[in-house]
Amino acid sequence: GESVGLHLPTLSVQEGDNSIINCAYSNSASDYFIWYKQESGKGPQFIIDIRSNMDKRQGQRVTVLLNKTVKHLSLQIAATQPGDSAVYFCAELNAGGTSYGKLTFGQGTILTVHP
Amino acid sequence: GAGVSQTPSNKVTEKGKYVELRCDPISGHTALYWYRQSLGQGPEFLIYFQGTGAADDSGLPNDRFFAVRPEGSVSTLKIQRTERGDSAVYLCASSLHPSGGYTFGSGTRLTVV
Repeated sequence: GESVGLHLPTLSVQEGDNSIINCAYSNSASDYFIWYKQESGKGPQFIIDIRSNMDKRQGQRVTVLLNKTVKHLSLQIAATQPGDSAVYFCAELNAGGTSYGKLTFGQGTILTVHP
Repeated sequence: GAGVSQTPSNKVTEKGKYVELRCDPISGHTALYWYRQSLGQGPEFLIYFQGTGAADDSGLPNDRFFAVRPEGSVSTLKIQRTERGDSAVYLCASSLHPSGGYTFGSGTRLTVV
């Protein structure tokens, strides 16, 4: 992914609203995608994943959509809560070749949920 | 252990010094990864171990950086002649298999002054 230094995209929502966080990925050969949540002072925490043979996957309060045509991922969080406030990253995995096991992270998005 | 453990959590060192950062993965996880995260950016891949061997070290920025995993469990990231640009959070992750299921540690925040 491309980095933009300190100027991460931000999303501010009210508690109870739905949130949508977007991510563009770079490698059309990637076949596994993961969304991570990162709180201050902690490592990335797994939220949900999706394989390239799917276009949608749902978890508890979260849905990931994959559009391979335009190489775009989105994370939808339903009924957003203050505890959802964090930086969210998408990551792609190329499960073949010499880069096997290497995650490439996209640009993060700062989500702020107001009570 | 229950999660990936990294020590120390914070390390301040002087420019030119040598540092070692330790990662204790989840028991039984054969795959181990090191990433580096600069302020405001996503983690960037450094090196991947499968068992004791480095399967992919293409992310190590230069020969001042080296990592080992001698017994296929604990790993140590070693940085020689540290520079101020090495300041970052160094993250370790482990998984049963490189196709997914990664768990990250909380990282070591390295500050080179």
